[in-house]
Amino acid sequence: AQSVTQPDIHITVSEGASLELRCNYSYGATPYLFWYVQSPGQGLQLLLKYFSGDTLVQGIKGFEAEFKRSQSSFNLRKPSVHWSDAAEYFCAVENSGNTGKLIFGQGTTLQVKP
Amino acid sequence: GAGVSQSPSNKVTEKGKDVELRCDPISGHTALYWYRQRLGQGLEFLIYFQGNSAPDKSGLPSDRFSAERTGESVSTLTIQRTQQEDSAVYLCASRTRGTGHEKLFFGSGTQLSVL
Repeated sequence: AQSVTQPDIHITVSEGASLELRCNYSYGATPYLFWYVQSPGQGLQLLLKYFSGDTLVQGIKGFEAEFKRSQSSFNLRKPSVHWSDAAEYFCAVENSGNTGKLIFGQGTTLQVKP
Repeated sequence: GAGVSQSPSNKVTEKGKDVELRCDPISGHTALYWYRQRLGQGLEFLIYFQGNSAPDKSGLPSDRFSAERTGESVSTLTIQRTQQEDSAVYLCASRTRGTGHEKLFFGSGTQLSVL
């Protein structure tokens, strides 16, 4: 069965520091991978997605993620975190067939220290 | 509307009562999804509507849960005889039909509290 694991439930970084949020997936075929962000009181917003091609994908708000098939990982990175990045981040995988059914990880809450 | 709209934003109910949650997708979006987010957990898929096709109900946790959608517009999620474990945020999402794994647009959710 497909699954997504985000090993870090809560991460705290200082403003201006670099960030890496981990995501591991379990899926038999080529995965379709996503990162979403959920800010307090707001709906989920897509940061970036990977379907095929270049394994390093760029997203909005300065985020990027790298797909590593050998490690079954799709980690999210940002070189310099801003206070407004404090939110909950979800990694998700979509099954084949382009149904839009996403399997989400449990989420990582990011806290940014001034 | 400009985005996915859900109502009510908050719902408090007593155990055993029925509740209805509403979702207005983005106009023109043929696909509509319901997800549940329990406190401290990720989103769980509940049900998926695509156009006039039979809905994918594979994620509904019990027969107390049901959902309907009128054409390609409004959807209602009904929970009968609510239980305390039904307390969660219920999120609706929609997207256009396409071949490129188009992104989902999420509403802000309905926070359901069962006392």
